[in-house]
Amino acid sequence: QLLLQGSGPGLLRPSQTLSLSCSVSDDSINRGGYSWSWIRQPPGKGLEWIGYSYHSGSPNYNPSLKSRVTISVDRSKNQVSLKLTSVTAADTAVYFCARGHIASRSLAFDIWGQGTMVTVSS
Amino acid sequence: DIQMTQSPSTLSASVGDRVTIACRASQSVNNLLAWYQQKPGKAPKLLIYKASSLESGVPSRFSGSGSGTDFTLTINSLQPDDFATYYCQQYDSYSPLTFGGGTKVVIK
Repeated sequence: QLLLQGSGPGLLRPSQTLSLSCSVSDDSINRGGYSWSWIRQPPGKGLEWIGYSYHSGSPNYNPSLKSRVTISVDRSKNQVSLKLTSVTAADTAVYFCARGHIASRSLAFDIWGQGTMVTVSS
Repeated sequence: DIQMTQSPSTLSASVGDRVTIACRASQSVNNLLAWYQQKPGKAPKLLIYKASSLESGVPSRFSGSGSGTDFTLTINSLQPDDFATYYCQQYDSYSPLTFGGGTKVVIK
């Protein structure tokens, strides 16, 4: 069964860069056709899509975060990465990686990582 | 952005009840709508895609309907495992993909 395992620092200071990785347990990344997204959820709140990329590149970002976000896919490591620059307290959230669902044009999400809590505090 | 509005925000129900959750889009999303279930401390789980298609492995008591701007998730004969928060998500426009605010189903 495919597993996504997210990892990264749990505490950041304002203005720092958030860097998270998501390890994919099988060869989905190299098979192509799937998008790989990051989605976040502030404590007690709803879900916000951050962006996605494909194994070949072609990232697409939420316009509200576009100036600060980079999502990349490393096929050699079976990993998807997220970088978010200049973080503030508003970026405090659980960050999920997720695979695009093929039958939904890869724009809904059928496999999710367990979530990584990131707190931004001085 | 396409805004997704769910109602109610909280729903009280008993085991065995039939439950209906509504999701309205600010513009047509055709039938490109998904539903998720999320339990505390866990990632969301895909239940329904393309408005009414049941994801593999999801119990048949879950069903979805609707098209355009108005959608419904129905749970027939609510089970103890179904008490959770449910989200809709549109994927007609990916700039950006957007979720509803969630509906929490609690025990009456």
